[in-house]
Parts: sequence; structure tokens; C-alpha cells
Amino acid sequence: KQEVTQIPAALSVPEGENLVLNCSFTDSAIYNLQWFRQDPGKGLTSLLLIQSSQREQTSGRLNASLDKSSGRSTLYIAASQPGDSATYLCAVGYNTDKLIFGTGTRLQVFP
Amino acid sequence: NAGVTQTPKFRVLKTGQSMTLLCAQDMNHEYMYWYRQDPGMGLRLIHYSVGEGTTAKGEVPDGYNVSRLKKQNFLLGLESAAPSQTSVYFCASMGDSPYEQYFGPGTRLTVT
Repeated sequence: KQEVTQIPAALSVPEGENLVLNCSFTDSAIYNLQWFRQDPGKGLTSLLLIQSSQREQTSGRLNASLDKSSGRSTLYIAASQPGDSATYLCAVGYNTDKLIFGTGTRLQVFP
Repeated sequence: NAGVTQTPKFRVLKTGQSMTLLCAQDMNHEYMYWYRQDPGMGLRLIHYSVGEGTTAKGEVPDGYNVSRLKKQNFLLGLESAAPSQTSVYFCASMGDSPYEQYFGPGTRLTVT
């Protein structure tokens, strides 16, 4: 069964820390992987998409890496800010009709 | 360019009532999806469409029907609502490569 796991489920850090969110998947035959941000009561905002042929993508203070062989992706957030507080979701795409979501990491960055 | 929009934002139904959720996208995307999000379970795919006039079942299709009469719209129907359908419903659309999904703001549905 294709499963996506995100660890930790929740994380609380002081402002300014660099942090890593983890995503693991059981089936490595992926075609892409997306990281999303979800604020309370809101929809999902796409942060980064990594295609299966890529190893990483960067956007501002965010860097996502992909290691298909080990079934892992990490989202690195540099110099965290209170505005980064949200739930971060990892979603693994296997084809156009199958995007499997993890249950997310709830991040709180305190001043 | 509004992206993906959903109507309504909130709704309360009594058991047995019916309703239709509307999703609209202005990005000319072929693919459209309906998900539900429940605490501790992540997002699960209900139905999807790969183009105008097509629909297909996802992971949790029972109790729902869909229609894609126009490319820009994807409708999700509940014919006889049940308390188990209390959830937040998200619509998404996707274009061609790199196949990135874009989500709407969600509809919070409560069935009493």
C-alpha cells in the first residue's frame, strides 16, 4: 500500500532557528512530490514541487530535497519566523489520478 | 486570475438533505479533483476528472456524485447527506507537466 508519513507531527521552535521537516513514502515509483502549507481554516498553498528526475528545489528560505531510493524528502526552512507557523503537508504523486498526502507537521514559531 | 474558487464556504445540512458544491478554475486546466480532509486522516480523493465530460472514482467515492459539463467547472453532489460526510472539502485543478495541483479555499460542511 502506498503510504506517506510525516515526522514530527508537531514542532515548536523559537524564531530564527533553521529546521527540517521530514516526509517518507513507501513506494519509490513516484513522478513528483509537492510540499504545501496550510493555515488554520484555509486551503493549501503549494510551496515547492520536485519532479522525480530532480534532487532538490529552492524558493527563498525554503529548500526541498528528494531521495527516491530511500523514499524520503525533507523541507528545510532557514531562519524561521512567526509567520511560518502553519501545517506543512507533503504529497507524493504517482500519476495524474493519485496524489497521496501525509497527515502533516504542525509548526509553531514563537518570538 | 482567481485560480480555484469554491462555493459555498460553509454549509450545515440535516441528515438526508442534498446539496451541490461548485468548483471553478480559470487556468484552463484539464484535470480537476475533489478531496475531503478529516482530522488525523490527511486529504483523501473522492472523485476526479481528466477533462470535460469525464469523471472517475477516487479513494472514497461512496455517497458522492460528480459532473464536469464544462471544462472550468467541477460539481460535487451529495444526494442524501449523512453525519459521516461532515468534513472540509477541497477542490483542486492541475495542468500538464510538471503536474502541479492548485487548491481552492475549501468548503466546511456539517451534517447534523
